[in-house]
Amino acid sequence: DTEVTQTPKHLVMGMTNKKSLKCEQHMGHRAMYWYKQKAKKPPELMFVYSYEKLSINESVPSRFSPECPNSSLLNLHLHALQPEDSALYLCASSQVGAGVGYNEQFFGPGTRLTVL
Amino acid sequence: AQKITQTQPGMFVQEKEAVTLDCTYDTSDPSYGLFWYKQPSSGEMIFLIYQGSYDQQNATEGRYSLNFQKARKSANLVISASQLGDSAMYFCAMRDLLGGSNYKLTFGKGTLLTVNP
Repeated sequence: DTEVTQTPKHLVMGMTNKKSLKCEQHMGHRAMYWYKQKAKKPPELMFVYSYEKLSINESVPSRFSPECPNSSLLNLHLHALQPEDSALYLCASSQVGAGVGYNEQFFGPGTRLTVL
Repeated sequence: AQKITQTQPGMFVQEKEAVTLDCTYDTSDPSYGLFWYKQPSSGEMIFLIYQGSYDQQNATEGRYSLNFQKARKSANLVISASQLGDSAMYFCAMRDLLGGSNYKLTFGKGTLLTVNP
């Protein structure tokens, strides 16, 4: 199974809502990532989890709160978002380690978020 | 810091012809990895091909090959026998070390490929 799944596919929320994005993989990967992609732009890293612990936070506003409840699941909790947070949110996973060897990141299909 | 440059915002190719998508990179690390991903309009990032800095041969995966010229710091993607389903955004990316065993992908701006029938 080389699949990363994300739910929901689409999400529309108001600025006062609280919602969560979910990501799941069963490839045994112990590194998981959240990227944000604005229209016609490349993905930008938000968070990295390694062995279920938050390793990297790329100065993301606190209205985005990640959570990794186990080695297969990654959540992104959303609260008090702004319209400029509307974007495609991509989850990815990989083996831990950034050595010379081949170590691709597998991406999910993304959640298209619209904040009204 | 790593930098990836894709200078072609859009490319057009006739079905069944070959096309080359350009990618240049800048890094001071002697060890690095380069990736190409395809992103259809549906949004999913699909891994295509990988080239390591120490790999002696250019990478190939089916219709995809990578023209790796280390001295020129270029890693161009060649798609042979283009198909209509190849129409998508293509991103070149580099593995960017973050400390410890963590890394991220730093992406170029992408090239939108359109395959014409």
